Amino acid sequence: KQEVTQIPAALSVPEGENLVLNCSFTDSAIYNLQWFRQDPGKGLTSLLLIQSSQREQTSGRLNASLDKSSGRSTLYIAASQPGDSATYLCAVKVQTGANNLFFGTGTRLTVIP
Amino acid sequence: NAGVTQTPKFRVLKTGQSMTLLCAQDMNHEYMYWYRQDPGMGLRLIHYSVGEGTTAKGEVPDGYNVSRLKKQNFLLGLESAAPSQTSVYFCASSYSRTGAGNTIYFGEGSWLTVV
Repeated sequence: KQEVTQIPAALSVPEGENLVLNCSFTDSAIYNLQWFRQDPGKGLTSLLLIQSSQREQTSGRLNASLDKSSGRSTLYIAASQPGDSATYLCAVKVQTGANNLFFGTGTRLTVIP
Repeated sequence: NAGVTQTPKFRVLKTGQSMTLLCAQDMNHEYMYWYRQDPGMGLRLIHYSVGEGTTAKGEVPDGYNVSRLKKQNFLLGLESAAPSQTSVYFCASSYSRTGAGNTIYFGEGSWLTVV
């Protein structure tokens, strides 16, 4: 079974700092990997989706990379802002089997003004 | 545009009671999903549907039933609630298979406590 791990569980940074969130997965036979944002008491919002054939995706200040062979993905946030404070989750879609995304437990990010 | 709407948002049940969570989407999506989110566990798929009239089991289906009588609605039922079903439940939908480059949209969650 695919296992998805996100370390650290929580991270605090001062405003303006660049930061990297990490995601690792145990089975490299993935279809794609997604990064989500979750605000307290809210649902998940998709930020970036990387297909297994891609190495990275960018959206504004966000850049996600994928190294399938090593089972790792990173989410880079440039020039962090207090509005970036949220929990960030990664999820991988396996190549076969049921329609399922395997989620990590998330990294709770706090950007301090 | 409402997207994915879940009702109710909060509910407290006694052990053994039954209830139904309703999910509605207005994006004409074929695929709908029910997840539960527990501390330290991540989101886990309970049941999903690939179209009107179809349902399938996910990773943790025991104790739950679902129905998809209309394309826009996906109902999650608990026939006899147990404290282990205390969780936050998320409904989601997508146009086609997740992973085919299509975004999955989530509702805002339903907080269920079973005492």
